[in-house]
Amino acid sequence: SQTIHQWPATLVQPVGSPLSLECTVEGTSNPNLYWYRQAAGRGLQLLFYSVGIGQISSEVPQNLSASRPQDRQFILSSKKLLLSDSGFYLCAWSKGSGRPRQFFGPGTRLTVL
Amino acid sequence: QKEVEQNSGPLSVPEGAIASLNCTYSDRGSQSFFWYRQYSGKSPELIMSIYSNGDKEDGRFTAQLNKASQYVSLLIRDSQPSDSATYLCAVILRMDSSYKLIFGSGTRLLVRP
Repeated sequence: SQTIHQWPATLVQPVGSPLSLECTVEGTSNPNLYWYRQAAGRGLQLLFYSVGIGQISSEVPQNLSASRPQDRQFILSSKKLLLSDSGFYLCAWSKGSGRPRQFFGPGTRLTVL
Repeated sequence: QKEVEQNSGPLSVPEGAIASLNCTYSDRGSQSFFWYRQYSGKSPELIMSIYSNGDKEDGRFTAQLNKASQYVSLLIRDSQPSDSATYLCAVILRMDSSYKLIFGSGTRLLVRP
């Protein structure tokens, strides 16, 4: 069966510091991978998606970037965090073909102070 | 007009009752629809998917789709306090080589013992 991991689970960072969040998927190959952010009391916002190694599409211009160095690894980064970057960051995967059901990882709760 | 709309709630029902959650969407071309359950502080969990007009039943859950009215709903029979959560409706928007899930802001369900 497929499993998706995210770490860290929680993170408190000062404004202006860098960020690196990691997501890995097990039990499948060539997945589509997604990064979402959920601000407090808000809906899910798609940040990036990737259909393959090195292939990243950005949905919203912002202070963040994403990379996919390996087939089942997806990284979300920032060089300098802003207060507005606080939120619940979720990684999701779906199969590269067939029914497009997306499954979410446990998430990383980021607080920028 | 938002792409996916849900009443934010809370929807309060007594234990054992039927909870009815509703969602409307704006893209007539949408073909795939999903319901996610999100407990407070946790990541969304896929509970139902529906692709054709009509009803789809899975245990106590029934998803209903009416593409002509651009309406999808989720019925929860014999509601339990453990069903208390936020329910997110999601609709697929197809991109070039992947899919984008558009989420509603969610309906908070409270099941009273």
